[in-house]
Amino acid sequence: TQLLEQSPQFLSIQEGENLTVYCNSSSVFSSLQWYRQEPGEGPVLLVTVVTGGEVKKLKRLTFQFGDARKDSSLHITAAQPGDTGLYLCVEGGSEKLVFGKGTKLTVNP
Amino acid sequence: DTGVSQNPRHKITKRGQNVTFRCDPISEHNRLYWYRQTLGQGPEFLTYFQNEAQLEKSRLLSDRFSAERPKGSFSTLEIQRTEQGDSAMYLCASSRLDLGYTFGSGTRLTVV
Repeated sequence: TQLLEQSPQFLSIQEGENLTVYCNSSSVFSSLQWYRQEPGEGPVLLVTVVTGGEVKKLKRLTFQFGDARKDSSLHITAAQPGDTGLYLCVEGGSEKLVFGKGTKLTVNP
Repeated sequence: DTGVSQNPRHKITKRGQNVTFRCDPISEHNRLYWYRQTLGQGPEFLTYFQNEAQLEKSRLLSDRFSAERPKGSFSTLEIQRTEQGDSAMYLCASSRLDLGYTFGSGTRLTVV
């Protein structure tokens, strides 16, 4: 079973700041997905990355997949209160998703 | 189709009672998953179905838990003789093969 570590576990910042959260694995990802979960709701898929070194942008969010496909990062520019939530990474392309604990982000107005 | 629907959204039950949750997946999705999430943790896999066949069950799914998907459409998750440790958010997700998962809003269970 792949061991996923996400860091930091908690992050509290002010509106307008930039931030980066990380996802690391004990083994190679076939592909990787990032989800965001708002309080009281289910996770929502943000992006899937497949190729080592791949960078994808989603408005103010930039996702990077490591060259060796064992790590990924999510960078948010000019964070807004609406970005508050639990950010989860998980290996995609498998029959079941195995989640880490995620990074709980709070953006204060 | 508006996504994955879960009912009820909230359930409060007394210890020892049985509860049943329902999940209606996206209609063209052949895979359906159940997850459990406790405070401060990511979702934990419980079980999944491909069409009506239950293909895998986690060791977390004790004998008190049973899931069905009788016609390959909606699914139910039943917990018998609930315990306080069963208090959690129960999430359902569906997918078409492994092309990204769509989660429902979950059922929050509180056992008192």
